[in-house]
Parts: sequence; structure tokens; C-alpha cells
Amino acid sequence: ILNVEQSPQSLHVQEGDSTNFTCSFPSSNFYALHWYRWETAKSPEALFVMTLNGDEKKKGRISATLNTKEGYSYLYIKGSQPEDSATYLCAFLDSNYQLIWGAGTKLIIKP
Amino acid sequence: DVKVTQSSRYLVKRTGEKVFLECVQDMDHENMFWYRQDPGLGLRLIYFSYDVKMKEKGDIPEGYSVSREKKERFSLILESASTNQTSMYLCASSSIPGGPYEQYFGPGTRLTVT
Repeated sequence: ILNVEQSPQSLHVQEGDSTNFTCSFPSSNFYALHWYRWETAKSPEALFVMTLNGDEKKKGRISATLNTKEGYSYLYIKGSQPEDSATYLCAFLDSNYQLIWGAGTKLIIKP
Repeated sequence: DVKVTQSSRYLVKRTGEKVFLECVQDMDHENMFWYRQDPGLGLRLIYFSYDVKMKEKGDIPEGYSVSREKKERFSLILESASTNQTSMYLCASSSIPGGPYEQYFGPGTRLTVT
């Protein structure tokens, strides 16, 4: 059974602080790792699609790293802002194109 | 701007009713998906479709069926709604199979079955 774990489940961060959270996934049959941001009352939106071990991707204040050998990815947010409040989802795409989702990390930014 | 739309944001139905959830995408995507999302769980795939009139069961198809008569439209049908089908339902689409392509989501339908 393939499992994708995200930690922590939820996180309260002071505005202006930086934060990070983790996605763990199987280290075999890897094809890609997706990160999505899901704001309340909106559609989930893709942040990153990562395919190569050692990949680092950045979008503004948000960045992600990927380690396929040990099966983890980190998402970093620098200088958190209220608009960063959302649930962050990761999904593991295996070599059979099966997409397995984590339960998400709910991030709340305190002003 | 790419768009996936779902017919309702909120829906309340009675046990035993037949329920239709509609999803339309304007990106000419081949793949379409239906998920449900429950607290503490990842998105769980109900059904997906790689082409018109084609459907494949996902992880939790029991109690659901789907229809894809046109490329842009993918419908989820609850044949006889039950209280354990109360959930958030998300539709998504993506481009051709065989790649790491991201999925584009609709805003979701929160269904309550009483």
C-alpha cells in the first residue's frame, strides 16, 4: 500500500516568520511529486511539479526541495503573509501514473 | 484563464435521492477526475476518464457512477445517496496521460446527505 504522509497536520505561524513542512512518500517507482495550495472557498492550485532528485523550485516566497532517494520533499515559506493561509497538499505520482495524495498541512498565519 | 467549473458549491439531499454533480472544463483536457475529500484524509479518487465515453474506477467507486458524453463534461452520479456520502467533492482535469502533468481543479461541491 502506497502512503503519502504530510507533517505537521496543522501549523500556526506568526506573520513575518518563515516556516516549512514535510511530505514523505515511497522511495520506489517515483515519477513526480506535486505540491498544491488550497485556499478556503477556492480551487486547489498547483504550486510545483517536481521530477528530478535534488530539484529545487521557487515561486516568489515559496520554495520546495525534493529527495527521491529518501522519499521526502520540503515546502518552505519565507516571511509568511496572511494570504499564505491555506492547506498545502502534496501528491506522489508513481511510474504507473497513479497519484496518491497526502492529507495536507493546514497553515494559519497569525497577524 | 483555465477553468474547471462545478455545478453547485453546496448541495443538501435526502437519503435515497439520486444526485448529479456536473463538472465542465474549458482546456480541452483528455483526463478528468472525481475525488472526495474528508477531514484528516487525502483526496480519494472515485472515478476517472481518459477519453469520451471511457471511465475507470478509482479507489472508492462503490455507490457512484460517472458519465462522459462530451470531452469537456464529466458527471458524477450518486445512484442512491447515503449519509456516508456527505463530503466535499472535487473535479479535476489534466492534459494527456503519461506525463507528470499538474491537475486543474474546480472549486468543489460540499454535499450533505440527511
